[in-house]
Amino acid sequence: NAGVTQTPKFQVLKTGQSMTLQCAQDMNHEYMSWYRQDPGMGLRLIHYSVGAGITDQGEVPNGYNVSRSTTEDFPLRLLSAAPSQTSVYFCASSLQRRYEQYFGPGTRLTVT
Amino acid sequence: KNEVEQSPQNLTAQEGEFITINCSYSVGISALHWLQQHPGGGIVSLFMLSSGKKKHGRLIATINIQEKHSSLHITASHPRDSAVYICAVRSTQGGSEKLVFGKGTKLTVNP
Repeated sequence: NAGVTQTPKFQVLKTGQSMTLQCAQDMNHEYMSWYRQDPGMGLRLIHYSVGAGITDQGEVPNGYNVSRSTTEDFPLRLLSAAPSQTSVYFCASSLQRRYEQYFGPGTRLTVT
Repeated sequence: KNEVEQSPQNLTAQEGEFITINCSYSVGISALHWLQQHPGGGIVSLFMLSSGKKKHGRLIATINIQEKHSSLHITASHPRDSAVYICAVRSTQGGSEKLVFGKGTKLTVNP
């Protein structure tokens, strides 16, 4: 099993550009989530999904969209990138919401 | 005040030392997680516990629900244990559960 995969590993965007961070898991997990990690702060939840077709907002959802058309994939879309979105983004999955989470390797995003 | 506080923020130890990292929280929880973030950035789940104590190899995690406190112990520490250790609680505050993360404890183990 590949576990949780994320692409790209690194990305540089200009302010106003849009892009999609990809996340996929091959463990048939129902629960998937996106976090951002900023210096001096704990991981913060952006969006999450409890199953295909169901998504909900987390703590810091503004400027991001998600969709969950399949169990495996949970892409995160930045609609119009801003410097405040410079961060490291982690995707995670778990069998269900209350179970142990498995994290992807992260995407380091810089917005100039 | 942060809902999850970890101490110390930074910890330097010599190889072989016994390490303790602390986590205190101020909300009701259904579970507590300990995570390890390697220098390369990857995050691995070490423990999930809701009571008592769990052990895996040289790592031991304990939780005291009444005192709202958890500890992560590393016995016979090794340079490969150098990482950031993150405590996260599954908070039941406000009616819906959410994971709240501490800021992490950076551990450096010198040979």
